[in-house]
Amino acid sequence: SQTIHQWPATLVQPVGSPLSLECTVEGTSNPNLYWYRQAAGRGLQLLFYSVGIGQISSEVPQNLSASRPQDRQFILSSKKLLLSDSGFYLCAWSVGTMINTGELFFGEGSRLTVL
Amino acid sequence: GQNIDQPTEMTATEGAIVQINCTYQTSGFNGLFWYQQHAGEAPTFLSYNVLDGLEEKGRFSSFLSRSKGYSYLLLKELQMKDSASYLCAVILNYGQNFVFGPGTRLSVLP
Repeated sequence: SQTIHQWPATLVQPVGSPLSLECTVEGTSNPNLYWYRQAAGRGLQLLFYSVGIGQISSEVPQNLSASRPQDRQFILSSKKLLLSDSGFYLCAWSVGTMINTGELFFGEGSRLTVL
Repeated sequence: GQNIDQPTEMTATEGAIVQINCTYQTSGFNGLFWYQQHAGEAPTFLSYNVLDGLEEKGRFSSFLSRSKGYSYLLLKELQMKDSASYLCAVILNYGQNFVFGPGTRLSVLP
């Protein structure tokens, strides 16, 4: 069966510090991978999605970046965090076919507080 | 741009029926999902519609009208555990891009 894990689950970082959130998927090949952010009381905002190794699409210009060094690994990074980066970050995957009727599977989430 | 609208909050009584609406205007459409999200947790899948009509799954049903850009989630025999946010999401571009609505926070009262 397929599983998705992301870590760390919770972190508190000072403004200007770097960030690295990691997500891995097991039990499937060539998944589509996603990073979403959810601010308190708000909907899910798509940050990045990837359809393959090294292929990253950015939806929102910001001080965050994403990388996909391996087929089932997706990393969200920042060189210098802003207060507005606080939120609940969710990694997700879906079946990687052109005609995709598969659902989106979410990781457990990472709660980031920037002070 | 992509636009998906849902009511912000709804309240209903245990045992009752509630309908949560979702309207969308998107560049492309490959299906619509409903997700449930309890506070502090990741969303979980509820239903999927790609053709017009009603999909029923136990106490939950979801309806889609592509010509109207409209969907609703129907929850029957409400239970306290149904108190959660319900997210409407549209798939664009052959499933490479999911766009979520703002979510509807449902409170079920005894």
